[in-house]
Amino acid sequence: AQKVTQAQTEISVVEKEDVTLDCVYETRDTTYYLFWYKQPPSGELVFLIRRNSFDEQNEISGRYSWNFQKSTSSFNFTITASQVVDSAVYFCALTLFSGGGADGLTFGKGTHLIIQP
Amino acid sequence: GAGVSQSPSNKVTEKGKDVELRCDPISGHTALYWYRQSLGQGLEFLIYFQGNSAPDKSGLPSDRFSAERTGESVSTLTIQRTQQEDSAVYLCASSLAGTSDQETQYFGPGTRLLVL
Repeated sequence: AQKVTQAQTEISVVEKEDVTLDCVYETRDTTYYLFWYKQPPSGELVFLIRRNSFDEQNEISGRYSWNFQKSTSSFNFTITASQVVDSAVYFCALTLFSGGGADGLTFGKGTHLIIQP
Repeated sequence: GAGVSQSPSNKVTEKGKDVELRCDPISGHTALYWYRQSLGQGLEFLIYFQGNSAPDKSGLPSDRFSAERTGESVSTLTIQRTQQEDSAVYLCASSLAGTSDQETQYFGPGTRLLVL
């Protein structure tokens, strides 16, 4: 079975600070997908990024960046120059390539990020 | 285009009543998923449909839960004889199978169920 751990239940920073959300995963499969979703107070899960297990290239999208390291089974998410609108619960998730989607997503417990003005 | 929609957005029911939750996936998405989000259990995967077929129903919490899908469109999640522990947000997601984006699930706003 797969497992995703987000050890940080809540993080509070002041606006404009950089913040990193940690994600560690466990799976015996060698091919899988990793995701990050954002859940703002409105409740809807918003897709942020998908990463394939065979592509360890890091990615940057504006103020967001992701660091994928298979050696440590980690897929961390950094927000640079945080803004109040970044306040939300962030979820890391995993699904197996072999399942074709049938296994659904295995989610971490989420990290509640609070950006104070 | 329109995203995943769910109805009702909120549902309050009495213990023992049946409820039906509806999900309209993104047009053309062949895969559909149901999840449950509760404080104690986090986000739990319930069931997956490819077309109108659900190959594995073992994720449903009990035999009071059932799900159907009509073709590659609307899905309903039915909970019979609701219990207070069924109170949660029920989320639906869809994905486009057969493309490089097939593993990316797009979520609806959820149905918040409260069983009194």
